[in-house]
Amino acid sequence: LAKTTQPISMDSYEGQEVNITCSHNNIATNDYITWYQQFPSQGPRFIIQGYKTKVTNEVASLFIPADRKSSTLSLPRVSLSDTAVYYCLVAYAGQAGTALIFGKGTTLSVSS
Amino acid sequence: SAVISQKPSRDICQRGTSLTIQCQVDSQVTMMFWYRQQPGQSLTLIATANQGSEATYESGFVIDKFPISRPNLTFSTLTVSNMSPEDSSIYLCSVVRDRGTYEQYFGPGTRLTVT
Repeated sequence: LAKTTQPISMDSYEGQEVNITCSHNNIATNDYITWYQQFPSQGPRFIIQGYKTKVTNEVASLFIPADRKSSTLSLPRVSLSDTAVYYCLVAYAGQAGTALIFGKGTTLSVSS
Repeated sequence: SAVISQKPSRDICQRGTSLTIQCQVDSQVTMMFWYRQQPGQSLTLIATANQGSEATYESGFVIDKFPISRPNLTFSTLTVSNMSPEDSSIYLCSVVRDRGTYEQYFGPGTRLTVT
């Protein structure tokens, strides 16, 4: 059974690097890993997507080890405005179609 | 990315009635999805809206309760039928341009309260 697991919450201070890990034991060769950020009363916002090794954009990095059973979202130098819920999503491709499985979300609280 | 709008943004409805939610995208997309997000919880996929054919529903969701239309590549509707208080939730649409990566972009959501 496809499952996506991530920590419920994390705390940090402004200026620190935050790493949020997601486990996805049943991931297959062609499945992509995507991370979203969600603020209250808004839809999730795309942050980054990866398939293997490392992906970096202007806001985050995504590290995926060789076995691909987990992935880590890295937010450099967080600020108060990064306080939000972060979701990991894996698109599990199967014979019956692709299952889009969100993790339960990690609530990140950034303090000054 | 894509600019996605949803109507209404929120509504309060009486049990037993139905509500239709609209999702409009600013450009053509390959896939459109409908999700439900209950307060303080993660997102659950309801169905994939297929253009020109019946929607594909996830386990636990049926067409009679959540009929979906997608008449073209930029528009879809989700109807929540015969509502009960348990249907109170946020309903979100999302779109995908690249079917290979499933990179999704979400609308702002519709907050539904059933009394």
